[in-house]
Amino acid sequence: KQEVTQIPAALSVPEGENLVLNCSFTDSAIYNLQWFRQDPGKGLTSLLLIQSSQREQTSGRLNASLDKSSGRSTLYIAASQPGDSATYLCAVKDSSYKLIFGSGTRLLVRP
Amino acid sequence: DAGVTQSPTHLIKTRGQQVTLRCSPKSGHDTVSWYQQALGQGPQFIFQYYEEEERQRGNFPDRFSGHQFPNYSSELNVNALLLGDSALYLCASWGRGSSYEQYFGPGTRLTVT
Repeated sequence: KQEVTQIPAALSVPEGENLVLNCSFTDSAIYNLQWFRQDPGKGLTSLLLIQSSQREQTSGRLNASLDKSSGRSTLYIAASQPGDSATYLCAVKDSSYKLIFGSGTRLLVRP
Repeated sequence: DAGVTQSPTHLIKTRGQQVTLRCSPKSGHDTVSWYQQALGQGPQFIFQYYEEEERQRGNFPDRFSGHQFPNYSSELNVNALLLGDSALYLCASWGRGSSYEQYFGPGTRLTVT
C-alpha cells in the first residue's frame, strides 16, 4: 500500500531564505508526482507536475526533483517571501490514476 | 477558461441528514475525482468517475455515492451523515489525453452538527 510522508510537518523561516520541503513515498511504481499549495480553508493549487520519467521541473522560484528509485521528492523554494506562507502538499499518482497525498508541510515565512 | 467549480461553498447539516455536493470540471476534462480532507490532514480519495461510471473507489462506506452527467459534471451524495463526515470536500478533474495533471476546485466545507 502506497504511503506518502512529508517532513517537516511545519516550518518557520525568515523572509529571503532558501528552503527545501521533503516528500517520500513507499512504492516507486508511480505514474507522476504533483506538488500543490493550499491556503487556509481553500482548494489546492497545482505548482509542479513531474512525470515518472523526469528528474526535475522548474517554475519561477520553485524547483521540484524526483528520485523514483529512492522514493523521494524535494520542493526547493528560492528567496522565500511572506506570500509563500501556505501548506504544501505532495501527491503521487498510482497506476489507477488516483492521487495519494502526504499530510503536508505548513510553511510560515516571517517578514 | 473557467477552472473547476464547486457548489455550495459551505454547508451545515444535522446528523442523519443527506447532502449533495456538485462539481463542474475544467473545460476539456472528462474525468472527475472526489476527495475528503479532514482538518490538518491530506486529502483522501473517495472515488473517480469517467464516462458516467465509477471507475475507482477509495476506502469509504456505501453512504458515499456519486454520479457523473453527460456534460462531465459530477455530484457527490452522502447519506446518514455522521459528525465525522465534517470535512472539506474537494473535486478534481483531468483529461485522459493530457499530461494527467489534476486540477482542483475550491472545495465545499461541510459541517455536521
